[in-house]
Parts: sequence; structure tokens; C-alpha cells
Amino acid sequence: EVLLVELGGGLVQPGGSLRLSCAASGFVFSNAWMSWVRQAPGKGLQWVGRIPSKSDGGTPVYAAPVKGRFTISRDDSKNTLSLQLNSLTTEDTAVYYCTTVLHWGAAGTTDHWGQGTLVTVSS
Amino acid sequence: DIQMTQSPSSLSASVGDRVTITCRASQNIGSYLSWYQQKPGEAPKLLIHVASSLLSGVPSRFSGSGSGTDFTLTITNLQPEDCATYYCQYSFSSFGPGTKVEMK
Repeated sequence: EVLLVELGGGLVQPGGSLRLSCAASGFVFSNAWMSWVRQAPGKGLQWVGRIPSKSDGGTPVYAAPVKGRFTISRDDSKNTLSLQLNSLTTEDTAVYYCTTVLHWGAAGTTDHWGQGTLVTVSS
Repeated sequence: DIQMTQSPSSLSASVGDRVTITCRASQNIGSYLSWYQQKPGEAPKLLIHVASSLLSGVPSRFSGSGSGTDFTLTITNLQPEDCATYYCQYSFSSFGPGTKVEMK
């Protein structure tokens, strides 16, 4: 069974930092492209960024609103995806999801989402 | 960044209706277009990837088409359980703003 479990959300003051992690299991993590997606309360889905597998270059790409403030990294030895959030503003308040799409060959394609972790930026 | 737009932002339809949602990319994205369904309180669920490929287990009343910059999600024979918000996504990148589908 594929599992993605996010940790690290919480309350942080504007200008502060937070680090989220996503523990993955049930698939070959090192082969997977991973993404972070967020959803502010009552709002739509917003892509935060992605990190390809190392075999596909491994260079993260970010959405414009977070570029230069957020950093995505992966530790394939620990099957863990991370998101470092710096210089946070109230606009960053959202549920953050770790997600991936996996291709299983003849068995098809599946998508997987963590349970989400809430980041609240407030003074 | 490539921008994704969707129309309409919301719609109301009856059981059995055919519903069409359109998605437009600001640049040519080939067939790198996915459609997600999200119900309140739940994580999104991928319905269609590479513009028209239906995921296993997704009812065949859902279909996708298009390439380049213009894409369509069609739901034929709308069912009550299809009430949700639908998002298009440039694969592993930006989402559209969503289309909320409600029952009349």
C-alpha cells in the first residue's frame, strides 16, 4: 500500500520558518517525481513545487509565489520529501499536501496524497 | 509560469445531464494535462491524465479531450456523486482555479 505521511505543520509568526516532511512507503521513492500542493481555507488547489527523481535530473521547480522562499529536497535513502518554508506570510496559510503520480506499467497509473498538514501563519 | 484557466467557475445541472468543463493553458502544453475531482473534506482524486487517459476505476461517464492549449472534461449522465470541484492541472505544475459542479 502506498502511504504518504506529512509532518511538521503548525502555527508560525509572519516572517518565520517551518520545515515540513513527508514520509513515503509502498513504492520505489527514488524513481518518483514528488510534488507539494497547498490549499488555503476555502480556496482552490495551488501547486507549490516539484522535485523530479535524481535519474531525471532531481532539480526542484517552484511556483512563482514561493520561489526564493521555499526549498524542496528529497532524501532517497530515507524515503523522505521535505519542504523548507522561509519568510512566511499570512498568504502561506494553507493545508500542505505531499503528492505523487505513479505509473505501474500495465497495472495503470495511480495518484497518491498525504493527509495534509496545516500551516497557519499568524501573529 | 504557465497559467491555467477554467470555465465556468461553477455550474448547476440535473441528474443525467451532460456537463462540459473547459481548461485553457497560456502556452502549448501538448497533452500534459490532468483532471482532478475534489469533494469537501477530501484530498483530490486524479481522474484523467495525459489529457484523455482515464484512470482505472474512474467511471466511463468521465472523458477528457484536447491538446496544445485547449482541453475539455466531459461528464455524461451526471450522477449525484459527481458533485465536486474539478481542477485541471498542467502535469506536475500549475492548477486551474476549479469548477464547482452542483446538482439542480
